[in-house]
Amino acid sequence: DGGITQSPKYLFRKEGQNVTLSCEQNLNHDAMYWYRQDPGQGLRLIYYSQIVNDFQKGDIAEGYSVSREKKESFPLTVTSAQKNPTAFYLCASRTDNRGRGTEAFFGQGTRLTVV
Amino acid sequence: QKEVEQNSGPLSVPEGAIASLNCTYSDRGSQSFFWYRQYSGKSPELIMSIYSNGDKEDGRFTAQLNKASQYVSLLIRDSQPSDSATYLCASIGTNAGKSTFGDGTTLTVKP
Repeated sequence: DGGITQSPKYLFRKEGQNVTLSCEQNLNHDAMYWYRQDPGQGLRLIYYSQIVNDFQKGDIAEGYSVSREKKESFPLTVTSAQKNPTAFYLCASRTDNRGRGTEAFFGQGTRLTVV
Repeated sequence: QKEVEQNSGPLSVPEGAIASLNCTYSDRGSQSFFWYRQYSGKSPELIMSIYSNGDKEDGRFTAQLNKASQYVSLLIRDSQPSDSATYLCASIGTNAGKSTFGDGTTLTVKP
């Protein structure tokens, strides 16, 4: 089955620790996205990538880093510089990254908690 | 001004009624608009997409787009308790690679 897989589903981070969230898609989509969602809030864009080896900052990129070495993979690292990382993280992908846009497909999300 | 704004909600309607969800956007270059449904603790799933002015119907759902007014809406007819969720409006603007979401409107359908 085609889709987007995020792992892990739950992640606990200690203060000062870097953690990496995995996102893999087998939909052959060009564009991939990372969003953060806080309780009762909408989705805020962290980073996005329209093509391999290229990515752009979203609205809240500070304290996060990404890479796009393969079309299928777009991992997100939450660094120790992110002071309030507890949130629900969603990865998404789209097939069309220019012109008329298509809908985004989402992974099941990773819930990150600082302990 | 936020790029995509939705009714703050929450919205409560009785079962069988019509639920009306509204969204405005600021980027006049936006061409693509989407409504997603998100159940608590789950990821969003697509309900409707709309690209042209006018109405688009799919079962109990109707999306309406007015580019002159920069306004998108979603109507849910014969609302069911299973429709209770948060509905997110999204647009793809002048930067075609970037999807922008509103904060969502939480709908409760009471039996």
